[in-house]
Amino acid sequence: QSVLTQPPSASGTPGQRVTISCSGSNSNIGRNFVYWYQQLPGTAPKLLISGNNQRPSGVPDRFSGSKSGTSASLVIRGLRSEDEADYYCASWDDRLSGSPYVFGTGTKVTVL
Amino acid sequence: QVQLQESGPGLVKPSETLSLTCSVSGDSVSSYYWTWIRQPAGKGLEWIGRINARGTTKSNPSLKSRVTMSLDTSKNQFSLRLNSVTAADTAVYFCARGGIGDLSLWGQGTLVTVSS
Repeated sequence: QSVLTQPPSASGTPGQRVTISCSGSNSNIGRNFVYWYQQLPGTAPKLLISGNNQRPSGVPDRFSGSKSGTSASLVIRGLRSEDEADYYCASWDDRLSGSPYVFGTGTKVTVL
Repeated sequence: QVQLQESGPGLVKPSETLSLTCSVSGDSVSSYYWTWIRQPAGKGLEWIGRINARGTTKSNPSLKSRVTMSLDTSKNQFSLRLNSVTAADTAVYFCARGGIGDLSLWGQGTLVTVSS
């Protein structure tokens, strides 16, 4: 069971803004960077946001990340059909034995 | 262009050892950290562990006693062994570049089924 909680689903029509939350605790998001990954159907995950809010080269600026306290958010502006995918947040957790890297529960984004 | 490719048996019998290799092209395994992740069908991602260029490893506590990772710089590969597998270990296994922060590049994944 993941220590990072995301809503199971989110949706919007093309052009809309969609926000995905990631709730953690002081032992993970509260003290470590948050990363976001996009997994298109049938493919491997792809890094979308690094270090809370940094977009790797090639990631459209429609995607943005933020962090506040023990929660983080991914915002997709100007939703497009190609954004239909599963999205996962991730962080390190210092409370758990061995300080593992933990993924969120995942959010499926549907473009209506 | 950096590419990662997982390889290994697609079927492993219960109680046996799962062995996978990740071949890296366009980069050197002597740089960076390298990570294994898995994903059961229809479920979320689970971090298995990482290895660095010196061969130092860090594993998920939930799997730690069963996981072994290694690096082969001569072949530019890194490997995963998971022993005493059960049906719960059936998943798509991914290798990725990175391990301190983000996982910047992923292999396409390989399905491993545990069944007799």
